[in-house]
Amino acid sequence: NAGVTQTPKFQVLKTGQSMTLQCAQDMNHNSMYWYRQDPGMGLRLIYYSASEGTTDKGEVPNGYNVSRLNKREFSLRLESAAPSQTSVYFCASSEEGSGYEQYFGPGTRLTVT
Amino acid sequence: TQLLEQSPQFLSIQEGENLTVYCNSSSVFSSLQWYRQEPGEGPVLLVTVVTGGEVKKLKRLTFQFGDARKDSSLHITAAQPGDTGLYLCAGPPTGNQFYFGTGTSLTVIP
Repeated sequence: NAGVTQTPKFQVLKTGQSMTLQCAQDMNHNSMYWYRQDPGMGLRLIYYSASEGTTDKGEVPNGYNVSRLNKREFSLRLESAAPSQTSVYFCASSEEGSGYEQYFGPGTRLTVT
Repeated sequence: TQLLEQSPQFLSIQEGENLTVYCNSSSVFSSLQWYRQEPGEGPVLLVTVVTGGEVKKLKRLTFQFGDARKDSSLHITAAQPGDTGLYLCAGPPTGNQFYFGTGTSLTVIP
């Protein structure tokens, strides 16, 4: 089992460019999450999907959109990247909702110049 | 302001020493989890505590959930270099929202 996979691993964007971060899990989990991690801030939830076909905003959703394409895949889109979105992005999945163990991907390191 | 505040933010100790990391909130959590993250990787779950006052042991690591379910602590006995990493508490105060703490970066010097 690959667990949770994320692509790309690294990305550099110019301000105003757009991109989509891809995430896939092969554990048949219902819930998927997108986080960003900044120094001294821990991880902050951007969006989550409790089940296929549903998405909800987390703590810091502004500037991002998500798509739960199917049960396996959950993508995060930056429509117009800003330097404040420079961060490490993690995708995670869990069997059910909060309170269940979350399994994380290896992360995407994004720099916006 | 973070919903879950951890202290200390950084900790550097010698191998064999004991340490305690704290996770505090003004909100009540239905459960709290502790994760460890190594450089370049995602966090990995260590333990989940559910009941107020609960104590769980994982080898040299002892986790405690506060009676009021607003705080938790992680105590490591006789720290080893393999314990080095970022320790994160996390939990759901309500619904499906999930919050991580600010993190404690631990370095154990051989």
